Amino acid sequence: NAGVTQTPKFQVLKTGQSMTLQCAQDMNHNSMYWYRQDPGMGLRLIYYSASEGTTDKGEVPNGYNVSRLNKREFSLRLESAAPSQTSVYFCASTGRVGYTFGSGTRLTVV
Amino acid sequence: LAKTTQPISMDSYEGQEVNITCSHNNIATNDYITWYQQFPSQGPRFIIQGYKTKVTNEVASLFIPADRKSSTLSLPRVSLSDTAVYYCLVGGYNTDKLIFGTGTRLQVFP
Repeated sequence: NAGVTQTPKFQVLKTGQSMTLQCAQDMNHNSMYWYRQDPGMGLRLIYYSASEGTTDKGEVPNGYNVSRLNKREFSLRLESAAPSQTSVYFCASTGRVGYTFGSGTRLTVV
Repeated sequence: LAKTTQPISMDSYEGQEVNITCSHNNIATNDYITWYQQFPSQGPRFIIQGYKTKVTNEVASLFIPADRKSSTLSLPRVSLSDTAVYYCLVGGYNTDKLIFGTGTRLQVFP
C-alpha cells in the first residue's frame, strides 16, 4: 500500500540547474497535484492534472512545467532553478475521499 | 474557490476537547468542507469531510451549521501527538483543486 511515492526526498541544486521531481500513485486516481510549502507557510498549488493527458496551472506555476505521463505518474520540472524555488514539494492525488499526499521532496537551490 | 479563514494558532492541554472553527462565507452550493492534519516534515493527512450538519469518524467530528458559512472541527480528548497544523478547505467533492490557507497550528501541552 505505497499510496503516493515521490523521488527524490532531498535535493540540492545550483542556481540555473534543472531537475525533475517524480511522483507516482498506485491508487488508480484520476487527479494529481503538485504543491509547494515554504517554511511556516501553507501549501500553494503549482499545477494539477484532472486526468491523464491534461494539465492546468495553479496559484504559482511560473518557473515550473509538468507532465502527466500516464495515469500513475505526474512529474514536475524546474528548467532553471532559482533560490526562490527553495521549498518542500508535495505531490498528491485524489480518489473517493480526500487527497493522499506523498512524503515530500525537500529542495534547496543555492 | 471559496476562501477560508481560521485562527493562526491554538493551545490546549492533554485530555481536553479542542474546537477549531473555520469561516467560509462564500461557500458554493456544491462545495464540500474538508479538514487535513499536517505534522512537521510530512504531507497533509485527510481527517474528515462533510457537506452539512454533523459528521463523525474515529478521529474527529465536523459540525456544519445550516447556512454552511462556517464549520468546526472537534478533536475529543487531545494528546501530545495531536500537535500539528490543521487546514480547513472548501471545494468540490474531491476533484477540484484545493487551495490551502496557512492553517491553524495546534500545540498540545502535557
